[in-house]
Amino acid sequence: GAGVSQSPRYKVAKRGQDVALRCDPISGHVSLFWYQQALGQGPEFLTYFQNEAQLDKSGLPSDRFFAERPEGSVSTLKIQRTQQEDSAVYLCASSPRQGPISNYGYTFGSGTRLTVV
Amino acid sequence: QKEVEQNSGPLSVPEGAIASLNCTYSDRGSQSFFWYRQYSGKSPELIMFIYSNGDKEDGRFTAQLNKASQYVSLLIRDSQPSDSATYLCAVRGSARQLTFGSGTQLTVLP
Repeated sequence: GAGVSQSPRYKVAKRGQDVALRCDPISGHVSLFWYQQALGQGPEFLTYFQNEAQLDKSGLPSDRFFAERPEGSVSTLKIQRTQQEDSAVYLCASSPRQGPISNYGYTFGSGTRLTVV
Repeated sequence: QKEVEQNSGPLSVPEGAIASLNCTYSDRGSQSFFWYRQYSGKSPELIMFIYSNGDKEDGRFTAQLNKASQYVSLLIRDSQPSDSATYLCAVRGSARQLTFGSGTQLTVLP
């Protein structure tokens, strides 16, 4: 696709409910990142994939958070037993592999705004 | 201490003035530096990156990097009301991911 696509755009979940957030990166982008952005804050790193391999999940805040990218394209971020502190915008970004590594910037999707009530 | 620090603002400048946004970082091994613009309710968009000491200009935007001082800045010349947004500084170290500051909210007054 032309850009990074995320769905749903908005999600309201009751506390304790499981949610799944989808990210469809730019075609051909091998790197995919998930970030969490709380209101008034900058994005906080959650996890990183290169193709289907999850190379870094150090930012996942608890074992309730799980991400996968089984075929190296679409990724899903799953949050189990949602809590109110999980309310945030979840941003997905992708990056190409071409060029010097120092020049890599991200292209972000529009994000999913999760509200846990 | 956060890894990437920015003044939260808000920073207000009159239309046509120069807006100066500043960022400091703690990891001396940081290799590349990015400025993103984020309009309210929208996702961040990349406006500039820099990885060598000195200045880098792109249109009305100039990024400045001083690795010895661990300082990076963004200058916006001839500021326009459409530049009103939150500006996020991001830093890449040895890891692949970017570390973001909390952002500086800029308002350009007509």
